[in-house]
Amino acid sequence: EPEVTQTPSHQVTQMGQEVILRCVPISNHLYFYWYRQILGQKVEFLVSFYNNEISEKSEIFDDQFSVERPDGSNFTLKIRSTKLEDSAMYFCASSEAGLKYEQYFGPGTRLTVT
Amino acid sequence: SQKIEQNSEALNIQEGKTATLTCNYTNYSPAYLQWYRQDPGRGPVFLLLIRENEKEKRKERLKVTFDTTLKQSLFHITASQPADSATYLCALDANDKIIFGKGTRLHILP
Repeated sequence: EPEVTQTPSHQVTQMGQEVILRCVPISNHLYFYWYRQILGQKVEFLVSFYNNEISEKSEIFDDQFSVERPDGSNFTLKIRSTKLEDSAMYFCASSEAGLKYEQYFGPGTRLTVT
Repeated sequence: SQKIEQNSEALNIQEGKTATLTCNYTNYSPAYLQWYRQDPGRGPVFLLLIRENEKEKRKERLKVTFDTTLKQSLFHITASQPADSATYLCALDANDKIIFGKGTRLHILP
């Protein structure tokens, strides 16, 4: 069964460094998302992406964040200058056209900022 | 303010009984409400979606109801099994975003 994959599974970085989290969505899906989950807290929406552009973003997704679909398969989240409070699990998700709210999540990348 | 509330942080149910989880929301008008399962350290897994014009949806041992007047969804697992133990998340659409509740940790006791 097709699944969303994410790399790396765990990323440790120093405050102020840039990180890029990578995702490969399910191949026939057209909607792509990033979420984060701080330990013990709820899953929080960051951004949705459709037709090569951001369709919606939350107040968390400020100028330090960006997303890109550099080729036909990868979807990336970049954090330009990481802060301690960016430490969280980051999940990528994707969904089919017409089934936008049936989202399939990847296993996540645990980001630790020291 | 807008809120999604899921009943009690943890729920213990005896194996074989029906588990019922509640999701209440305020100041949202979702067209779609979803339920996901999340195991520790893993990503959420989509279970069911119910539309605002649907009262009930079923999938195997799962049943979801959606009452837009009460602003509430109920999620039922019948004939519960220890393998059903997980955190269950309610989520709804809000201006093209998906907003998640904090979840209910369900423990099915053998």
